[in-house]
Amino acid sequence: GAGVSQSPRYKVAKRGQDVALRCDPISGHVSLFWYQQALGQGPEFLTYFQNEAQLDKSGLPSDRFFAERPEGSVSTLKIQRTQQEDSAVYLCASSSPASGNNEQFFGPGTRLTVL
Amino acid sequence: AQSVTQPDIHITVSEGASLELRCNYSYGATPYLFWYVQSPGQGLQLLLKYFSGDTLVQGIKGFEAEFKRSQSSFNLRKPSVHWSDAAEYFCAVGGTYTGTASKLTFGTGTRLQVTL
Repeated sequence: GAGVSQSPRYKVAKRGQDVALRCDPISGHVSLFWYQQALGQGPEFLTYFQNEAQLDKSGLPSDRFFAERPEGSVSTLKIQRTQQEDSAVYLCASSSPASGNNEQFFGPGTRLTVL
Repeated sequence: AQSVTQPDIHITVSEGASLELRCNYSYGATPYLFWYVQSPGQGLQLLLKYFSGDTLVQGIKGFEAEFKRSQSSFNLRKPSVHWSDAAEYFCAVGGTYTGTASKLTFGTGTRLQVTL
């Protein structure tokens, strides 16, 4: 596609529900990142994939957060037993190391509200 | 650990006035530096980036930024602000490319308000 797409754009969950957020990166981009942006804050790194390999998950805040990219393209961020503090915008970004400059292209984000 | 400080949470300027948004970073090696803009409900759009070479970089929408290693700064400037520039601006630092991509560390952002 022309850019990074994310779905759904908005998600409302009741506390304790599981949610799944999808990211479609730019075609051919091997690197994929997830960030969490709380209200009034800058994005914070969650996890990073190179192709299907999850090379860095140091930013995942708890074991309730899980991300996968099984075929090295689409990625899903799953949050189990959602809590109110999980309310945030979840941003996905992709990049192509072949370009050699670490420029990341961001999707529009999924706004998660946990009631 | 890498970090970014944007000391101004909120700035208001008049349309047509000049603008400077401050950014200071902490990074152990030569950083890659970025400025992104975020409009309400939108994703992040890259304004400009610095990797190496000329320390004054030009970006889209008339923005420029100057990398000053001695001050660990990467301030964003625009000579004449337009009302459409009202948005949230984020400075970010990333590692140099070594074969795998590098996560970005963002500042907390500066909200720009433009008065007519």
